[in-house]
Order: sequence, then C-alpha cells, then structure tokens
Amino acid sequence: GAVVSQHPSRVICKSGTSVKIECRSLDFQATTMFWYRQFPKKSLMLMATSNEGSKATYEQGVEKDKFLINHASLTLSTLTVTSAHPEDSSFYICSAKGTENTEAFFGQGTRLTVV
Amino acid sequence: GESVGLHLPTLSVQEGDNSIINCAYSNSASDYFIWYKQESGKGPQFIIDIRSNMDKRQGQRVTVLLNKTVKHLSLQIAATQPGDSAVYFCAENTGGFKTIFGAGTRLFVKA
Repeated sequence: GAVVSQHPSRVICKSGTSVKIECRSLDFQATTMFWYRQFPKKSLMLMATSNEGSKATYEQGVEKDKFLINHASLTLSTLTVTSAHPEDSSFYICSAKGTENTEAFFGQGTRLTVV
Repeated sequence: GESVGLHLPTLSVQEGDNSIINCAYSNSASDYFIWYKQESGKGPQFIIDIRSNMDKRQGQRVTVLLNKTVKHLSLQIAATQPGDSAVYFCAENTGGFKTIFGAGTRLFVKA
C-alpha cells in the first residue's frame, strides 16, 4: 500500500509553546489529508480535513485557531498545535487519500506530551 | 448524529480459532466500509474494505460481511494468530473523502 510518513513520532513540549507535526505522502499525491486525535483506549476522532491549496474543514468542536492546518502541496500537510496545554496531550494521526472513496493510508502517529 | 459503533469492546480467542468482530453503523447513506487494525503506539493499518453493492469480500485469512438490511458489518479472521492481537476499527465513508471510525474492539489471542 501507499506510504504516509508522519514526523515527529514523539514530542514533549512546555506548556504555552507551539508544536508542528508533519504528514507526508511518500509515493502518491494526496489531494486530501485528514488529522485525527486519539485518547488512550479510545477511537480516532476526526479533527479536520485538509485539501491542498484551500482552507481546512474542521469538525464541530475543534478550534481552528488552536489547531492550525496547512496543506501547501500534494504531498505535505502540517498540523500546528498552538499555545499547547497539558490537555492537548494526545496521539495525533494523519491520513491521506489519493482519490475519493478509497481506503485512507495512515501515518504512524505522533505522541504529544505537554508538560 | 450518525455514527459507527461496535458491539464488543474486548474479544479473547484461542490461537488457531476463528475470530469474529462486529460493527453496527447507523448512516444508511454510507457506501464504503473499511476495517483497520491498530497496534499499540502505531497508526491504523488497512485490512480489508467493502462497498455497499457487495455483501461479502474475502482477503487473506480475513472476510468482511456487510448486511445493509440491519446495518451490520463484521470482520472474520481465520486461524487467529498471536500477531493478530490488536485493536480493530470499522470505519465508514459516506459518498466522499471523510472516514469516520467506530469505537474499536480489542482482540486478545491466547497462545
């Protein structure tokens, strides 16, 4: 299957700082990328849909000013957690699709810990 | 709102037995379903998918069944192995790009 690379895999940051997570599709062009958040022993919760060259679409309840998404190219989307707080600590996962109604390919996830 | 959910949060099976993981979905407009496997600390891994114009699809050791009448999806794993131990999620697409996940079932395989 297609490869999606997410970086970093783990990050620890101080409260009040911002953290950027990158999601790259390595062997295909991803017109759409998705960002999920997952708490321990819970399912993946869709945060936003990122379309190349346009603004991201956020799910209800997700603060767009706190979780900044940029999809500057067909192979790269970034999620920036701004002014991070301990409650933002979570497992963040990106996925990418080349075409509609096919399976999404997932990155390996980023474990964010805010101290 | 519409959602995808699972009947059993935890399933424990003996190595070599068959496993069946169930999923109920509520959005009748969903037309594409996927099963993912997630190991601890990793992203989900695609297992098998099925479109709404089918009721069964087989892969290597896995079979997905779709019953649109009762909005039910199942994943069958034949000859379950210790490496199959993970959390399994069903997910749905509703005529577009978004993939919405169900609650997940943790599968334990006893040696």
